[in-house]
Amino acid sequence: AQSVTQPDIHITVSEGASLELRCNYSYGATPYLFWYVQSPGQGLQLLLKYFSGDTLVQGIKGFEAEFKRSQSSFNLRKPSVHWSDAAEYFCAVSEYSTLTFGKGTMLLVSP
Amino acid sequence: EAGVAQSPRYKIIEKRQSVAFWCNPISGHATLYWYQQILGQGPKLLIQFQNNGVVDDSQLPKDRFSAERLKGVDSTLKIQPAKLEDSAVYLCASSTRGESEAFFGQGTRLTVV
Repeated sequence: AQSVTQPDIHITVSEGASLELRCNYSYGATPYLFWYVQSPGQGLQLLLKYFSGDTLVQGIKGFEAEFKRSQSSFNLRKPSVHWSDAAEYFCAVSEYSTLTFGKGTMLLVSP
Repeated sequence: EAGVAQSPRYKIIEKRQSVAFWCNPISGHATLYWYQQILGQGPKLLIQFQNNGVVDDSQLPKDRFSAERLKGVDSTLKIQPAKLEDSAVYLCASSTRGESEAFFGQGTRLTVV
């Protein structure tokens, strides 16, 4: 069965600094991978997705992620964090049309 | 384009009472999901519909939870009777097909006291 691991529960980054959120998945074939963001009291918003092709994918709000099959990873990055990026971030994988989420990483942005 | 609509936004009930949540997916989306998100955790899939058929309900506590999607459009999720551990946010999502991106509603926050 597919699974998603987000090893960092909380991460604190200074505003303007770079960000990398880690995601590892367990999946047999070529996965469909997603990153979602959730602000307090809100639903989940899709940041980006990987289905196939170029392993570096661009998303909204300046985010990007790189699929590395050899490491079973799909890490999310942003070169310069803004205070409005403070939220919870979820990595997800789709297998046989079922979407499975990691436990999330809470991003805190310090001034 | 209208998003996924859910109601109510908030609900407080006593344990052993029943409760129902409603979801209207994006028009034309064949796949509909119900997720349970307990505080501090990622969303857990409860049930997935493809049109009006169930694709996956392996994690649905069927002794107390039920869901239906009549006519393959909107859906209801019911809990009867509720337990304290059912306190969570219930998220509905839809997609054009299972492998494509899912669009989420704002969720229903359930508190069982």
